[in-house]
Amino acid sequence: GDSVTQMEGPVTLSEEAFLTINCTYTATGYPSLFWYVQYPGEGLQLLLKATKADDKGSNKGFEATYRKETTSFHLEKGSVQVSDSAVYFCALSDQKGSQGNLIFGKGTKLSVKP
Amino acid sequence: DGGITQSPKYLFRKEGQNVTLSCEQNLNHDAMYWYRQDPGQGLRLIYYSQIVNDFQKGDIAEGYSVSREKKESFPLTVTSAQKNPTAFYLCASSISSGATGEQYFGPGTRLTVT
Repeated sequence: GDSVTQMEGPVTLSEEAFLTINCTYTATGYPSLFWYVQYPGEGLQLLLKATKADDKGSNKGFEATYRKETTSFHLEKGSVQVSDSAVYFCALSDQKGSQGNLIFGKGTKLSVKP
Repeated sequence: DGGITQSPKYLFRKEGQNVTLSCEQNLNHDAMYWYRQDPGQGLRLIYYSQIVNDFQKGDIAEGYSVSREKKESFPLTVTSAQKNPTAFYLCASSISSGATGEQYFGPGTRLTVT
């Protein structure tokens, strides 16, 4: 079945460092891809999304490009801030039938030090 | 403001008791979802509902039950049959399942059973 694999954390960076969190997926069909962010003790917030191959999602300085040839959707940010410390989840939309359910990776915890 | 509310934020119960978690949304979304989050496990789908008076089991439905009598509400009951109920529970909604799959999440309820 469909699945998402994220790089394991935790990831610890200094402020203003470059961030990459790897995400690869396995899916039949053409899923939409998402990055969600979860701050401590809170629910998930949609960070960005891409619905077709070569689309680039972007928000708050974060970017990810839907790469069909490598089945990847890596999250990047050029200069992280302490406030970016959170858990990041990659997800894809399950295309079975017309359910559109989301399948999540296990999450990557990011800690940014001042 | 439109959004999803979950109550209470923290819930404590004795083993053997059933407990119901509340989820309400005023986004006029058709689809609603319940997830369970455990450390290092990502999110796992418990139940989902695409329309009022209809719902389907997710990947880990055993020991849980739901109802969908109103569009705005999707309560989750954790029964005494759930072997390991202590977890963080997240409710989500989307415009309709089978669309882009984008889901909006509530703040979560942390359930502790002793």
